Amino acid sequence: AQKITQTQPGMFVQEKEAVTLDCTYDTSDQSYGLFWYKQPSSGEMIFLIYQGSYDEQNATEGRYSLNFQKARKSANLVISASQLGDSAMYFCAMREVLNTGGFKTIFGAGTRLFVKA
Amino acid sequence: EPEVTQTPSHQVTQMGQEVILRCVPISNHLYFYWYRQILGQKVEFLVSFYNNEISEKSEIFDDQFSVERPDGSNFTLKIRSTKLEDSAMYFCASSPRRTVGNGELFFGEGSRLTVL
Repeated sequence: AQKITQTQPGMFVQEKEAVTLDCTYDTSDQSYGLFWYKQPSSGEMIFLIYQGSYDEQNATEGRYSLNFQKARKSANLVISASQLGDSAMYFCAMREVLNTGGFKTIFGAGTRLFVKA
Repeated sequence: EPEVTQTPSHQVTQMGQEVILRCVPISNHLYFYWYRQILGQKVEFLVSFYNNEISEKSEIFDDQFSVERPDGSNFTLKIRSTKLEDSAMYFCASSPRRTVGNGELFFGEGSRLTVL
């Protein structure tokens, strides 16, 4: 069965510094997708970045990068130059392809990031 | 930009009542989902729906829950007889066909259900 683990319930970072949010996963599938979503206090879920299991390069999207270590089954999110607006809950997620043709995406417990001025 | 819309944004109901949460996914998306988030906790998978049938459901999605896509645009979640522990934010999400994008989920803004 799939499993996503985020071991950091809360993290603090100084504004303008970089921060790494940890995520490990467990799956027996060869083909899967890894995602990070941001949930601000307003509650909406915002897609940040995606990494495919066959992608050899680490994904990057602006200030977000995903440190993908397939052998270690980790997919850490790195936020560079943190901003006050980055304060939010961050969820790591994994998608598997179902035999029925659909997809299933499950989420980790989340890490709450606090950016200090 | 197209978006997933959910109604109602907040519903208060008495225990034992039936509730229907409605979602309009993005029009050309093929995969539909419901997730639940109890306040301050993780986002829990309830059900995925593809090709007019359930692809997979979690252990949370028991006989009290059902989903429907009645008219090709709406995607509904029905809770037949609500319990106190059903109080949560319910998110609808959709994703496009496989060959488009990364398959990320496009979420609605959620429907907050409060069961008294």
